[in-house]
Amino acid sequence: RKEVEQDPGPFNVPEGATVAFNCTYSNSASQSFFWYRQDCRKEPKLLMSVYSSGNEDGRFTAQLNRASQYISLLIRDSKLSDSATYLCVVIKAAGNKLTFGGGTRVLVKP
Amino acid sequence: DAGITQSPRHKVTETGTPVTLRCHQTENHRYMYWYRQDPGHGLRLIHYSYGVKDTDKGEVSDGYSVSRSKTEDFLLTLESATSSQTSVYFCAISESAREPQHFGDGTRLSIL
Repeated sequence: RKEVEQDPGPFNVPEGATVAFNCTYSNSASQSFFWYRQDCRKEPKLLMSVYSSGNEDGRFTAQLNRASQYISLLIRDSKLSDSATYLCVVIKAAGNKLTFGGGTRVLVKP
Repeated sequence: DAGITQSPRHKVTETGTPVTLRCHQTENHRYMYWYRQDPGHGLRLIHYSYGVKDTDKGEVSDGYSVSRSKTEDFLLTLESATSSQTSVYFCAISESAREPQHFGDGTRLSIL
């Protein structure tokens, strides 16, 4: 089993709709979590950190479920510009090892 | 955007030649990283540095070496390039191992 797993998608989303997807991690000692966005042939860019209590940034909401060992990202009122690959990142406390998920591709269509 | 510059941005070279990629930062961050990204494999860590002259291997370090003689520069060298090293290479920086990383624009390397 991979340390960090994501559904590769694509998630085809009508413009204006809500989409949510998860990222599961295998190591219960994982400590820090982030979501990145990567556009085609571009570098990954930090979208948001994920806090234990959940957090929101505009149309984006991130949640952490430690009991089930997953993080989630929800995008409300999807825009065409939200089309991208979303990467989750998990950092383990021991050794501070950082692992990227394989990414979830989201396609927002008119 | 974080002050990270990768050079060159594109390179085509032949098998067996040495190649050096440069990552330059203006943020004075302690940690620097080299990743490669290939279809079906996602981002994979090659080497990273946690200070001047302090480096360590990542999950795909074979065939690569790195050097960091100054805080701002982290070099990735392919001593004898092979076609399997054709990839997009990203440099990243972070203030600490637990802080999020910020990425450069990437270098597209093709080895024929």
